[in-house]
Amino acid sequence: AQSVTQLGSHVSVSEGALVLLRCNYSSSVPPYLFWYVQYPNQGLQLLLKYTTGATLVKGINGFEAEFKKSETSFHLTKPSAHMSDAAEYFCAVSEYTGTASKLTFGTGTRLQVTL
Amino acid sequence: NAGVTQTPKFQVLKTGQSMTLQCAQDMNHEYMSWYRQDPGMGLRLIHYSVGAGITDQGEVPNGYNVSRSTTEDFPLRLLSAAPSQTSVYFCASSYSMPDTDTQYFGPGTRLTVL
Repeated sequence: AQSVTQLGSHVSVSEGALVLLRCNYSSSVPPYLFWYVQYPNQGLQLLLKYTTGATLVKGINGFEAEFKKSETSFHLTKPSAHMSDAAEYFCAVSEYTGTASKLTFGTGTRLQVTL
Repeated sequence: NAGVTQTPKFQVLKTGQSMTLQCAQDMNHEYMSWYRQDPGMGLRLIHYSVGAGITDQGEVPNGYNVSRSTTEDFPLRLLSAAPSQTSVYFCASSYSMPDTDTQYFGPGTRLTVL
């Protein structure tokens, strides 16, 4: 079964600093990978996804992620953090069961942005 | 267009009580799913449905029932609540499978079982 591991349950950066959230996956087939964001007291919202093609994927709010097959990684980055980026971020991988596809989520990384 | 709506927002139950968490979407989405979110465990899939009349189990289905009589609605039933079911529950929907189509999440239901 597919799985994802998010390194670091909490990450703190200064406003304007680089954001790097780590995600490693395990999959027996070429994976589809996702990053979702959850703002306080809200549901999840899709940031970006990788299916096929270009390995550098751009998402909303200036975030991007790079699929690296050799490293089984899909790390999320943003060049300059903003206070509004404070949220919890979830990496996910899809799995096809033969009749439907399902997403398996990581345990999440809470991003704190300080002045 | 309300998107995905969930009711209630908060609920407190006693052990052994039953209740239904409501989920509705107005986007004509075929795929709907229920997740629970627990601290340090991310989101775990409870049940999902690929269309009206079709449901299947996810990762943690025990203690929960679902049915899908219409495209719009996907209620989650707790037959006999247990403290281990204290969690935040999210409903999500997508037009097609969630690997190829964006999943839209509801605002969640926070459930406490005493």
